Amino acid sequence: AQTVTQSQPEMSVQEAETVTLSCTYDTSESDYYLFWYKQPPSRQMILVIRQEAYKQQNATENRFSVNFQKAAKSFSLKISDSQLGDAAMYFCAYYNTMEYGNKLVFGAGTILRVKS
Amino acid sequence: GAVVSQHPSWVICKSGTSVKIECRSLDFQATTMFWYRQFPKQSLMLMATSNEGSKATYEQGVEKDKFLINHASLTLSTLTVTSAHPEDSSFYICSARVAGRETQYFGPGTRLLVL
Repeated sequence: AQTVTQSQPEMSVQEAETVTLSCTYDTSESDYYLFWYKQPPSRQMILVIRQEAYKQQNATENRFSVNFQKAAKSFSLKISDSQLGDAAMYFCAYYNTMEYGNKLVFGAGTILRVKS
Repeated sequence: GAVVSQHPSWVICKSGTSVKIECRSLDFQATTMFWYRQFPKQSLMLMATSNEGSKATYEQGVEKDKFLINHASLTLSTLTVTSAHPEDSSFYICSARVAGRETQYFGPGTRLLVL
């Protein structure tokens, strides 16, 4: 079974609009970390946001915020006021040392296109 | 902070030759480094995990004799693709993590083309 699932291979958003990228994960652990990474055309992986599972509060970083639903094992990324520079492939990732040691487990990725 | 560099950024080599890729953590000590391979529009595939001063742990299906990994110091890991063949052409990314921390930082990647 896939640990991290990103069900949207591609998404499009109009500049200045809001878009939400979905991510679900599978775990029986209660303490873990979740991340969203951005990979623009340069292919440099950039950390967008991280969430610690034991924290109830949703993480935010400027225009980026997450909706972390622990019971539903859902970790969606909301991008507000989308900009052309947000166009990239976005990866959701899960980290828990008990299950996977040092490894970061990635989803398949979502390509985000931003229309001007 | 938390910058990871990779060198070279791209390399073209002839089939049968070996290529070395360097990965450096510039402003932190990376106790663990990771090497990934990525095909266009796909996710990252972990090849191996290396801890400073010890042998790398390879993922299933990755040939350890073909992809030699050395993590000689807390700031440097190298990946050597030995006897490269066209099927080894890909984008290789390294990543680093500080001991006890959960966030991984990534290098800019190396594009390898084997002719």
